Amino acid sequence: DQQVKQNSPSLSVQEGRISILNCDYTNSMFDYFLWYKKYPAEGPTFLISISSIKDKNEDGRFTVFLNKSAKHLSLHIVPSQPGDSAVYFCAARGVLSGGYQKVTFGIGTKLQVIP
Amino acid sequence: DTEVTQTPKHLVMGMTNKKSLKCEQHMGHRAMYWYKQKAKKPPELMFVYSYEKLSINESVPSRFSPECPNSSLLNLHLHALQPEDSALYLCASSPLGGANEKLFFGSGTQLSVL
Repeated sequence: DQQVKQNSPSLSVQEGRISILNCDYTNSMFDYFLWYKKYPAEGPTFLISISSIKDKNEDGRFTVFLNKSAKHLSLHIVPSQPGDSAVYFCAARGVLSGGYQKVTFGIGTKLQVIP
Repeated sequence: DTEVTQTPKHLVMGMTNKKSLKCEQHMGHRAMYWYKQKAKKPPELMFVYSYEKLSINESVPSRFSPECPNSSLLNLHLHALQPEDSALYLCASSPLGGANEKLFFGSGTQLSVL
């Protein structure tokens, strides 16, 4: 049962344009959402996050939008740069019994920014 | 130092071998994690250590044995693995107690079981 879904395996965007990566989730108990970026042969690196009590968080060229009623979030990259080409993982944090936190990842979207 | 260092980067082992994966961080994080990632799949949580004690075991087979010798080190001991255990093994760490659960990942160990 995939609780975090990224339905687009890949996305190609021209340099300078907007990249929009989408993510859907099923568990309404998730309280925090994160985006990670992964280059080949490297581990995922944290990019941006949003609390479930907010609907937008912005950090430079990166903005994450959260629509709780639709259980949907998106990552906007404006303007897109060739160095943004990577796999982007959507992730969600939930609380397990015992109070421990668990981060669940989506399958990832491979973004290619074309110069 | 904001790095999580994993060794080795690549490992090939037979089904009867015993090997260990190592992970080290010097950020003072008190939570450390092992994740497993198969090709075209998301990373999946295996174990969580908090304050050097095993907090979460996500029903991982006993042929995987984690160890946390101190707050900076995390090992994963492997024994009698199966070919389907071939995957990228990622170590991560995070602070404890904060609302922002940022995981810092290592580059991973690409494991092949023959």
